[in-house]
Amino acid sequence: DTGVSQDPRHKITKRGQNVTFRCDPISEHNRLYWYRQTLGQGPEFLTYFQNEAQLEKSRLLSDRFSAERPKGSFSTLEIQRTEQGDSAMYLCASSIGLAGGTDTQYFGPGTRLTVL
Amino acid sequence: AQKITQTQPGMFVQEKEAVTLDCTYDTSDPSYGLFWYKQPSSGEMIFLIYQGSYDQQNATEGRYSLNFQKARKSANLVISASQLGDSAMYFCAMREGYRYSTDSWGKLQFGAGTQVVVTP
Repeated sequence: DTGVSQDPRHKITKRGQNVTFRCDPISEHNRLYWYRQTLGQGPEFLTYFQNEAQLEKSRLLSDRFSAERPKGSFSTLEIQRTEQGDSAMYLCASSIGLAGGTDTQYFGPGTRLTVL
Repeated sequence: AQKITQTQPGMFVQEKEAVTLDCTYDTSDPSYGLFWYKQPSSGEMIFLIYQGSYDQQNATEGRYSLNFQKARKSANLVISASQLGDSAMYFCAMREGYRYSTDSWGKLQFGAGTQVVVTP
């Protein structure tokens, strides 16, 4: 049984470059979530998918961010024209998608992005 | 407005003692779920315990229990018999509207966390 995996674990990039992160959810989990966590803070919701449909996107997410889940399995999060303020840990989580409150989200190890 | 408030930025606790981590929440939705996660220095968020707003009894999972006081809107985590491996950041989180809205019950809203250090 494998958990949520994320790749890469660490990414260092220069300001203005584009970066893409990948998340593989737990198999048979229908929901996939992206969060961002800056130092000393709790995770902040970015977006989530039910299968391949993107159901919600945070208003805090600028148009430089885009996420996809093309076949309802893995997901990618792309950041275009990175800025130093994008430096953070990007966390992915998945859940079965139960129609109730007990739908627990399980997190991956995260991708730490550093923008120089 | 802050939905989840964790007022204790850090705590020291001795091994084998119990520790209570505070969490208060703000919602007008009658349907919500409360979660606690642990984040060790490695960075991965580990699910600990869940409490639903309609649950009549406080949740328990091994050494973790949740002291749910609905009228006060608090959901404190109690860790009994602390171990050195319990040293980590602990986050309280809430999901709103799971019973009536299929769109809004996805995201979790997190507090700022409490750093727990267990000493021998």
